[in-house]
Amino acid sequence: EIVLTQSPATLSLSPGERTTLSCRASQSVSTYLAWYQHKPGHAPRLLFYDSSNRATGIPARFSGSGSGTDFTLTISSLEPEDFAVYYCQQRSNWPLTFGGGTKVEIK
Amino acid sequence: EVQLLESGGGFIQPGGSLRLSCAASGFTFSSYPMNWVRQAPGRGLEWVSVIGGSGGSTYYADSVKGRFTISRDNSKNTLYLQMNSLRAEDTAIYYCAKALDYSYYMDVWGKGTTVTVSS
Repeated sequence: EIVLTQSPATLSLSPGERTTLSCRASQSVSTYLAWYQHKPGHAPRLLFYDSSNRATGIPARFSGSGSGTDFTLTISSLEPEDFAVYYCQQRSNWPLTFGGGTKVEIK
Repeated sequence: EVQLLESGGGFIQPGGSLRLSCAASGFTFSSYPMNWVRQAPGRGLEWVSVIGGSGGSTYYADSVKGRFTISRDNSKNTLYLQMNSLRAEDTAIYYCAKALDYSYYMDVWGKGTTVTVSS
């Protein structure tokens, strides 16, 4: 099973700040990685697939990059609605696996 | 509008069985794989199972293999998860999620149904 390790576990930031979230895979997943945003009481939302392909309706302040074992999700300027938990997920090998998540909270 | 609505959650004793349903609308249901994903209290997301559009291929997480069965009825636009031999560690919110395509990325999610396994 491919293990995805996300860091840091929590980020305390202010609106307008730039942030970068990390996801590291235990073995290469090529570019077969997605990012999701999840707010309490809401359905998770797909942000990126295949590392850098933006999903429908995702604002340009979000960007995804990486390949192999190291991936990043960048938010260029945090909006109030961006405070949430972010998960990476790989589809390179079965079983599909998620990272443990990074919580982006308001400072 | 694409919508997914889960139902069937509840309170069940260890060793019991429960069947979850997910009613889909707004897209050609039979054309897309469908997933179940769960979130235990205070934990992250955990993929559970996926089924192909025709129902012919299924995959499971090791944690549920042999106990859970995913299925679908394309005539009813409904996805199911039959859960047997339930354990306390199966307590979670269960989400159904439509796959983007046969990449199995999950592009539309329901709001979830809660399963609590406790004596």
